[in-house]
Amino acid sequence: GENVEQHPSTLSVQEGDSAVIKCTYSDSASNYFPWYKQELGKRPQLIIDIRSNVGEKKDQRIAVTLNKTAKHFSLHITETQPEDSAVYFCAATVENDYKLSFGAGTTVTVRA
Amino acid sequence: GAGVSQTPSNKVTEKGKYVELRCDPISGHTALYWYRQSLGQGPEFLIYFQGTGAADDSGLPNDRFFAVRPEGSVSTLKIQRTERGDSAVYLCASSLGGGAFNEQFFGPGTRLTVL
Repeated sequence: GENVEQHPSTLSVQEGDSAVIKCTYSDSASNYFPWYKQELGKRPQLIIDIRSNVGEKKDQRIAVTLNKTAKHFSLHITETQPEDSAVYFCAATVENDYKLSFGAGTTVTVRA
Repeated sequence: GAGVSQTPSNKVTEKGKYVELRCDPISGHTALYWYRQSLGQGPEFLIYFQGTGAADDSGLPNDRFFAVRPEGSVSTLKIQRTERGDSAVYLCASSLGGGAFNEQFFGPGTRLTVL
């Protein structure tokens, strides 16, 4: 099955700086990569996703890049704000599949 | 509209007891998923329903775990003879259809503690 590894496990950044989270996956058939944000005590929520037919996707201050050859993808948050503090999970799955394989999560803390 | 809801939000039980966890998906969502999230980990897939049938239960850890969705809407995850290792947050998610490109909307989870 799919194995997703995520780094770093914790990340502390100064407000206004950028944050980068990296994930690798093992199954070369995976072609859908969502990112979820989970605030303390709340449900995971999808913030951005990317399909394998593109290498980058951007939505305001967040962007995701995908390198299918190397089997890794990254989340980039620019101009971080205190409300970006949360646990971020990457995930991978195969089109026509349904179960998401999640990374272990990255706890991001934005220092004011 | 209303999101995915789960009850109870917290459940404390003793080792060996039976528990039921309930999930109310978003109205109209045919696909429903259960995940388990242990402390410091990402959610792990347990079971997937498309309509009333369990299309994939390969993630259920053993035969103490069982889930149903009799009318294709509400689902119940049932755990028999609970063990301390079952302690985790149990997340339910639903999506408009099956398949990867349908966003999975998560519920707030049920925190299960087995003493």
